[in-house]
Amino acid sequence: AQTVTQSQPEMSVQEAETVTLSCTYDTSESDYYLFWYKQPPSRQMILVIRQEAYKQQNATENRFSVNFQKAAKSFSLKISDSQLGDAAMYFCAYKGYGGSQGNLIFGKGTKLSVKP
Amino acid sequence: DAGVTQSPTHLIKTRGQQVTLRCSPKSGHDTVSWYQQALGQGPQFIFQYYEEEERQRGNFPDRFSGHQFPNYSSELNVNALLLGDSALYLCASSFYLSTARARETQYFGPGTRLLVL
Repeated sequence: AQTVTQSQPEMSVQEAETVTLSCTYDTSESDYYLFWYKQPPSRQMILVIRQEAYKQQNATENRFSVNFQKAAKSFSLKISDSQLGDAAMYFCAYKGYGGSQGNLIFGKGTKLSVKP
Repeated sequence: DAGVTQSPTHLIKTRGQQVTLRCSPKSGHDTVSWYQQALGQGPQFIFQYYEEEERQRGNFPDRFSGHQFPNYSSELNVNALLLGDSALYLCASSFYLSTARARETQYFGPGTRLLVL
């Protein structure tokens, strides 16, 4: 069975600085997706970034980028120029490819605090 | 473009009661997945509905059941509520089958907070 591990329960970053959140996963599949979701206190789960395992290029979305290491089964999220609004729980998630692999498997999350 | 909506936002029930939660998917999506998120934990997959059928199920008892309607909206029913059912229930929508990989991304609603006393 696939598993997702986030080893940092809490992280803190100074406003305008850069922070990296770690995620490792375990799977025997070769084709899959990895996601980072953000959950602020309002509790709505918001998609931050998506990576498709067959793509070697790391995904980027404005200030958010990932370091995808397929062989090491590692998928870290880098947030540049951190803003107060980035404070939230961040969840790493795995999904198999195809309609029959419908479920997301989440890690336990990392709580990110941003200091002004 | 309407996103995923859920109702109600909050709900309080007592042990042994039954509850129904509702979800409307993002416009154009045909698949609804339900997740349970206990306090301080990541979401756990309950089940997924496509074409009005349960396509995949997580490790949840039969007390948890669902339904999908022809307009793709969905209900989650929980019978014989236990204290441990207190959680945030999240609904997510997506496409089930597509040649466009990006369409498999799941988008979440705001959730329903259920408290069982």
